[in-house]
Amino acid sequence: KNEVEQSPQNLTAQEGEFITINCSYSVGISALHWLQQHPGGGIVSLFMLSSGKKKHGRLIATINIQEKHSSLHITASHPRDSAVYICAVRLRVSTLGRLYFGRGTQLTVWP
Amino acid sequence: NAGVMQNPRHLVRRRGQEARLRCSPMKGHSHVYWYRQLPEEGLKFMVYLQKENIIDESGMPKERFSAEFPKEGPSILRIQQVVRGDSAAYFCASSPTGGGYGYTFGSGTRLTVV
Repeated sequence: KNEVEQSPQNLTAQEGEFITINCSYSVGISALHWLQQHPGGGIVSLFMLSSGKKKHGRLIATINIQEKHSSLHITASHPRDSAVYICAVRLRVSTLGRLYFGRGTQLTVWP
Repeated sequence: NAGVMQNPRHLVRRRGQEARLRCSPMKGHSHVYWYRQLPEEGLKFMVYLQKENIIDESGMPKERFSAEFPKEGPSILRIQQVVRGDSAAYFCASSPTGGGYGYTFGSGTRLTVV
């Protein structure tokens, strides 16, 4: 069983729509990361969260520690947002900083 | 600041050859993590290194794989006698500490074994 589960696996949206990607985890964590990966491209770190909510432009990330759940929201989606979004956690117990990853959510935004 | 540099971006090897993947961390980062992304799978941890030391190699296959991070120069992930199952994207991430201040990822090396 994976420590990190993401949903949905695939998501298709029309330009302008509000998008939500969910991440659940089963262990105590010290931080949760949202990452973005374009096809054939590198990985970009979007957010690092340990509590509450963060916002950067049209992206919003929230985390509920008690429920072991995080969401990534994209407002006014655009075709350039099409990418794989990956949730990753750093465990609270000492794992020397390694990350555990979800399988990713493939987002496609149509014009 | 060029970020985390990985090279080559693409590498093709025949079965039985050796593959060497390089990762230069961000300036000031002395912690390097290697991850592997198999087709249709999520990223998996391989090894964690600090300068001249392997801290955690629990994710490394027992044979054919090795990693180093010398005092000078990039971190190297070395795969000997490659097999088709080694075909994957290999990413490195660097951090100024053990991840407490976040990570910066490289663009990855896509290894194809033919």
